[in-house]
This record gives sequence, structure tokens and C-alpha cells, in this order.
Amino acid sequence: NAGVTQTPKFQVLKTGQSMTLQCAQDMNHEYMSWYRQDPGMGLRLIHYSVGAGITDQGEVPNGYNVSRSTTEDFPLRLLSAAPSQTSVYFCASSFHRGSPQETQYFGPGTRLLVL
Amino acid sequence: KNQVEQSPQSLIILEGKNCTLQCNYTVSPFSNLRWYKQDTGRGPVSLTIMTFSENTKSNGRYTATLDADTKQSSLHITASQLSDSASYICVVSAGFGNYQLIWGAGTKLIIKP
Repeated sequence: NAGVTQTPKFQVLKTGQSMTLQCAQDMNHEYMSWYRQDPGMGLRLIHYSVGAGITDQGEVPNGYNVSRSTTEDFPLRLLSAAPSQTSVYFCASSFHRGSPQETQYFGPGTRLLVL
Repeated sequence: KNQVEQSPQSLIILEGKNCTLQCNYTVSPFSNLRWYKQDTGRGPVSLTIMTFSENTKSNGRYTATLDADTKQSSLHITASQLSDSASYICVVSAGFGNYQLIWGAGTKLIIKP
């Protein structure tokens, strides 16, 4: 199993550009989520999905879109990049979201720099 | 407001020494507390998870403690190794059915030879 994979590993964007961060998992997990990690702060939830066709907003959803057409893939779209979106983005997955004891498995992250 | 605070922000110790990282939380209702290890340039990996009724849990050289009365947790690392250099993140689950994860900012640990 590859686990959770993310591409690209690093990206530089200009303000106003759009892009899609890719996330895939091969563990047949129902629950997938996107976080951003900024220096000196805890991870913040952007969007999450409890299954194919179902998505919902997290703590900081503005400026981001998601979709979940398959169980395996959960792409994150930046609609019009802003310098405030410079961050490290992590995708995570778990079997369900029904129990807070579920272990989340994280991808290696995408470092995004918006100029 | 639900919060998780970790201390120290960073710590440097010599290889072979022990260390203790702290996590204080104000989260309600408390469900469980988890410690993650995050190597530089990688995603977090779960080390331990503790529920309300558990005081101590070990994972190899890592021992987590939980005091639900004072709302404090610690992560003790014994006989540190160079591979322990990482950030250690405390995460508290608030609620049950529709729970929320409250993430600490982490402690950056550097092990020097």
C-alpha cells in the first residue's frame, strides 16, 4: 500500500493563479480531509469528506474548493491564490469519522508559496 | 474557547538523555488526547491515544501521561536517539459523534550527538 499520496511536493504560484493539489489513498478509507499547517500554529481543517459525493467545510474553507467523485481521490482547488495561502497542506484519511478514536493517516504534504 | 497549548516551543538535548514535553488543554467535552510525531518534511504520525480513564500509555521509549483533573498531558522520551528529532504535536478531541480535533502548535525537539 502506498498509503496517502500528495502531489506536487512543492509549488510556487503568483497571486491570482489557480491550481489543484492532488490527494489519493489506497486504503479504502471513507473519511478524507485537508489541513493547512502554518508556523507557530496547530493544523487547521480546511475541508473534509465522509464518503464519495459528500464534502463539508472545516475551520478555514474560504478560498478553497473540494470534490470527492471517488473513494480514492480528494483534490483541493485554490480558486485565486493569495499570499495568505502560503502554507504546507496535508491530506489525511481514516476508515470513518464516526469515532474520535479513529487514527488519521497523513500524506507527506505540499509546500505552497504564493508570490 | 477550546485550546491546546504545548511547552516548550523547542528543546535541544543530547543523545541518550531523557526529556518531557508538556500539553495543557481547555477542551470540553473531552473525548481523547493523542500525541503525534512529525518528522521534518513529513506528515504527522500517531504515537499514542489516551481516553479519559487512562493515566499512562507507552509506545516503546515514548510514555504519555494524562491527568484529566488538571487537564494536562506529558510525553516522556527515554534514552533519546537522533531519530527522535522531530516536532511532537498534542491533539485533543472535543465531543463524540460530531467531534472536533483541537491541534497544539507542537514542540520542536532536536537531539544532538
